[in-house]
Amino acid sequence: GDSVTQMEGPVTLSEEACLTINCTYTATGYPSLFWYVQYPGEGLQLLLKATKADDKGSNKGFEATYRKETTSFHLEKGSVQVSDSAVYFCALSSYDKVIFGPGTSLSVIP
Amino acid sequence: EAGVAQSPRYKIIEKRQSVAFWCNPISGHATLYWYQQILGQGPKLLIQFQNNGVVDDSQLPKDRFSAERLKGVDSTLKIQPAKLEDSAVYLCASSFFLPANADTQYFGPGTRLTVL
Repeated sequence: GDSVTQMEGPVTLSEEACLTINCTYTATGYPSLFWYVQYPGEGLQLLLKATKADDKGSNKGFEATYRKETTSFHLEKGSVQVSDSAVYFCALSSYDKVIFGPGTSLSVIP
Repeated sequence: EAGVAQSPRYKIIEKRQSVAFWCNPISGHATLYWYQQILGQGPKLLIQFQNNGVVDDSQLPKDRFSAERLKGVDSTLKIQPAKLEDSAVYLCASSFFLPANADTQYFGPGTRLTVL
């Protein structure tokens, strides 16, 4: 069945460091891919999405490119801030099903 | 616009008791989702409604969980009887269209259930 795999956390980075959170997926058909973020004490919210191969989603300095050949959707940011500390979830939707990965916790220290 | 509303925010019950959660989606959103999020895991879809019809309930433990969405607006998720392993955060989300349209889901704050 369809699934999403994320790199395990927690990830701890210093402010202004580069971030990559790996996400790979298995799906029949052609899924859409999402990154959702959950800030401390808040609900999940969409960070970015991509609907077809080679699409790049971007928001708040974060980017992710839909790579069909490697079935990946890695989340990247060139310079993280303390305010980026949160749990990040990779997700896919396919044939009206939505599947979330386990989440990766990010802590950014000053 | 108002977001997805859920109540209660917290609930503590004894095992074998029953509990109900309520969700009011964003106005005009046809699709409503209930997720279970166990600590340290990603949300797991329990049931998905399109208006007042069920699209997917394949992961809903139907011997103890039930859900309804009367009139295609707000929804109630019930657990009866509860087990210890039901301790989790129950998330409600809504979207304008179905996931096949890659539509954004908007999440409520969740209900944290503790079963003792």
